[in-house]
Amino acid sequence: TQLLEQSPQFLSIQEGENLTVYCNSSSVFSSLQWYRQEPGEGPVLLVTVVTGGEVKKLKRLTFQFGDARKDSSLHITAAQPGDTGLYLCAGEGNNNDMRFGAGTRLTVKP
Amino acid sequence: DARVTQTPRHKVTEMGQEVTMRCQPILGHNTVFWYRQTMMQGLELLAYFRNRAPLDDSGMPKDRFSAEMPDATLATLKIQPSEPRDSAVYFCASGFLGHLNTEAFFGQGTRLTVV
Repeated sequence: TQLLEQSPQFLSIQEGENLTVYCNSSSVFSSLQWYRQEPGEGPVLLVTVVTGGEVKKLKRLTFQFGDARKDSSLHITAAQPGDTGLYLCAGEGNNNDMRFGAGTRLTVKP
Repeated sequence: DARVTQTPRHKVTEMGQEVTMRCQPILGHNTVFWYRQTMMQGLELLAYFRNRAPLDDSGMPKDRFSAEMPDATLATLKIQPSEPRDSAVYFCASGFLGHLNTEAFFGQGTRLTVV
């Protein structure tokens, strides 16, 4: 069973600041997904990264997959209160299972 | 607009009762997952199906939990008998895995409270 560790666990910042959250594992993944979850809702997919070293951008969000496909980062530029939520990473294993990290709970204060 | 539908959204039941949660996955997806989410454990993978065949249910307590997919439009998760420690939000997700653009979509969850 692959274990995904996310850091930091909690992050509270002011609107306009930049931030980076991390997702690390000792296992290699076929792909890795980032989700955002808001209270009372299911996780919503933000991006899938597949290739080692891949970088994907989604407006102010930049996702990077590690060269060895074991880790990933999410960078948010000029954070806004609407970015508040639980950010989860999930790794797809060789058996096409999908397991999640514990998440980073982000609060962006106006 | 295709989406994963879970019912019921909320369930309160007494300890010892049977609970059945239902999920309608997105048609065409080849994989269906069941997860349980708690503050302490996060999102735990309970079981998943590939093309309706169960692949792995090692995340479930075998003596009380069962997951089935009787047809392509329905996945069920059953707890019998339920216990207070089963209180959690249960999510179903469906996706197309095993190709270059893996993605999975979640339902809104069933919030289960066992008293």
